[in-house]
Amino acid sequence: AAGVIQSPRHLIKEKRETATLKCYPIPRHDTVYWYQQGPGQDPQFLISFYEKMQSDKGSIPDRFSAQQFSDYHSELNMSSLELGDSALYFCASSSGLAGGKETQYFGPGTRLLVL
Amino acid sequence: GNSVTQMEGPVTLSEEAFLTINCTYTATGYPSLFWYVQYPGEGLQLLLKATKADDKGSNKGFEATYRKETTSFHLEKGSVQVSDSAVYFCALTTDSWGKLQFGAGTQVVVTP
Repeated sequence: AAGVIQSPRHLIKEKRETATLKCYPIPRHDTVYWYQQGPGQDPQFLISFYEKMQSDKGSIPDRFSAQQFSDYHSELNMSSLELGDSALYFCASSSGLAGGKETQYFGPGTRLLVL
Repeated sequence: GNSVTQMEGPVTLSEEAFLTINCTYTATGYPSLFWYVQYPGEGLQLLLKATKADDKGSNKGFEATYRKETTSFHLEKGSVQVSDSAVYFCALTTDSWGKLQFGAGTQVVVTP
């Protein structure tokens, strides 16, 4: 079965640079979530989209922005990168039919290292 | 606000031992509860879920029962294998938009 695809899988950036992470949800899934997992931490919710509109926002820094496109893929744009942004970034997708309680399926993550 | 509390790890077991990972929660409304597993270097995989009180989720020999009276969702497996070594996350959502609130994770190490 098709899974959530994230690219790139690994990314190394310098401080103050920008990064773009991409997420391709499972076909026919209309909801995308972004989570950040620091080293040894639990995943923290950043932002979500339903039918190309932002549906919820968590602890996402102002330096980050995201959007969901017409084909339902999503991109997380990160600017003025800081050392503390080094983390594993997960995308998850679901079908929004059950009012948010549908199972979220996670991608393999993008590991970002900021030097 | 919502919160999830898991027992601290690492939990070290011998193969074929019984595994229990405690998870309790605090939530407004009626949460859906999940267990996710993260193998070394990989993403999160859904292990099992329960959406209402007294529901039992089960998968790959793992079980967890949604206990509203004790606000718990403990994970159990009767006989663990080395391949079960991973980090296990308990999570919940009460949100109409579904964002997950995770516990801190419990590392399980199974030795031969």
